[in-house]
Amino acid sequence: EVQLLESGGGLVQPGGSLRLSCAASGFTFSSYAMSWVRQAPGKGLEWVSGISGNGASTYYADSMKGRFTISRDNSKNTVYLQMNSLRADDTAVYYCAKEWVRAIDSWGQGTLVTVSS
Amino acid sequence: DIQMTQSPSSLSASVGDRVTITCRASQGISTYLNWYQQKPGKAPKLLIYGISSLQSGVPSRFSGSGSGTDFTLTIGSLQPEDFASYYCQQTYTTPRTFGQGTKVEIK
Repeated sequence: EVQLLESGGGLVQPGGSLRLSCAASGFTFSSYAMSWVRQAPGKGLEWVSGISGNGASTYYADSMKGRFTISRDNSKNTVYLQMNSLRADDTAVYYCAKEWVRAIDSWGQGTLVTVSS
Repeated sequence: DIQMTQSPSSLSASVGDRVTITCRASQGISTYLNWYQQKPGKAPKLLIYGISSLQSGVPSRFSGSGSGTDFTLTIGSLQPEDFASYYCQQTYTTPRTFGQGTKVEIK
């Protein structure tokens, strides 16, 4: 059974940083691209970032470029999202997601990031 | 970036109704169109991938169709557990954009 367990969310001040982690199990981690998707309170889904299975290719939504960095450690079956220069509009539940045939077939339970002073 | 526009934003329907949700892409996206269902407080769930392929375990009352820039999710006979929000997503290119969502409510 695929499991994705996010951690690292919490309350951070505007301009601060946070690193999210997602521990994966139940599949051959290095064979799959991974993504982060977020959802602001009461709003829709927003794709944040993606990374290829070997980590060589990374992708970002325009509003996250230069502020967020996605990475992975295939020896630890973990994907990360480093978030810098956080703003109030980054407040959201952040989901870790596994890609399969260019769709997201597995999601974590989400971790809440709140940016507020 | 490719914009995905869903309609309607919300709808009210009764159990047993046939429900159709549409999604339009701002440019051609080949077959890279997926549909997700999300219930309050829960992570989304993949329903349909590649326009019309049903994800394992998803009831056959869900179906997808379309081509080019215009796509449709149909629920053949709405069941009580289908009241939820539905999102389309294009994975033709990055960023992998989602539609704004359609909330299906009980009439």
